[in-house]
Amino acid sequence: AQSVTQPDIHITVSEGASLELRCNYSYGATPYLFWYVQSPGQGLQLLLKYFSGDTLVQGIKGFEAEFKRSQSSFNLRKPSVHWSDAAEYFCAVGAVNTGFQKLVFGTGTRLLVSP
Amino acid sequence: DAGVTQSPTHLIKTRGQHVTLRCSPISGHKSVSWYQQVLGQGPQFIFQYYEKEERGRGNFPDRFSARQFPNYSSELNVNALLLGDSALYLCASSLSADQNQETQYFGPGTRLLVL
Repeated sequence: AQSVTQPDIHITVSEGASLELRCNYSYGATPYLFWYVQSPGQGLQLLLKYFSGDTLVQGIKGFEAEFKRSQSSFNLRKPSVHWSDAAEYFCAVGAVNTGFQKLVFGTGTRLLVSP
Repeated sequence: DAGVTQSPTHLIKTRGQHVTLRCSPISGHKSVSWYQQVLGQGPQFIFQYYEKEERGRGNFPDRFSARQFPNYSSELNVNALLLGDSALYLCASSLSADQNQETQYFGPGTRLLVL
């Protein structure tokens, strides 16, 4: 079964500094990978997704992620963090060979932005 | 265009009661999925419905049921509520039922508190 690990529960970054959130997945074939963001009390907003092709994926709000098959990773990056980026970030993998849609999420990383 | 909408936004119930949560997908979307997000965890898949039929079910007891209506809106029902059912219930819609190649768009969720 697919699984996702987000090793960092909390990360604090200074405003203007760069950001990298880690995500490792467990799946044998090429996975469908997603990053979602959740602001307090809100639902999930899709930042970006990877299905195939170019391993560097651009998303909304200046985020990007790089798929590295050799490391089973799909880390999220942003060159300069804004205070409004403070939120919880979830990495997810699409479960395949089930006959239906199902996202398997990691436990999330809470991003705190310091002034 | 309106996104995924869910009602109610908040709900308080007592143990043993039942609850009905509602979801309206994005216009034109025929697939609705339900996820449970317990505090501090990532969302967990409960159901997917497509064209009014259940396509998939996660590891949840039979107390959880759902249905989809001809207008593609959906209801999630939970019977005999337990304290552990307290969570944010998220609804997601997508255009079709293609396995995870379709992006799922999430609503703001219904926060259920069981006392």
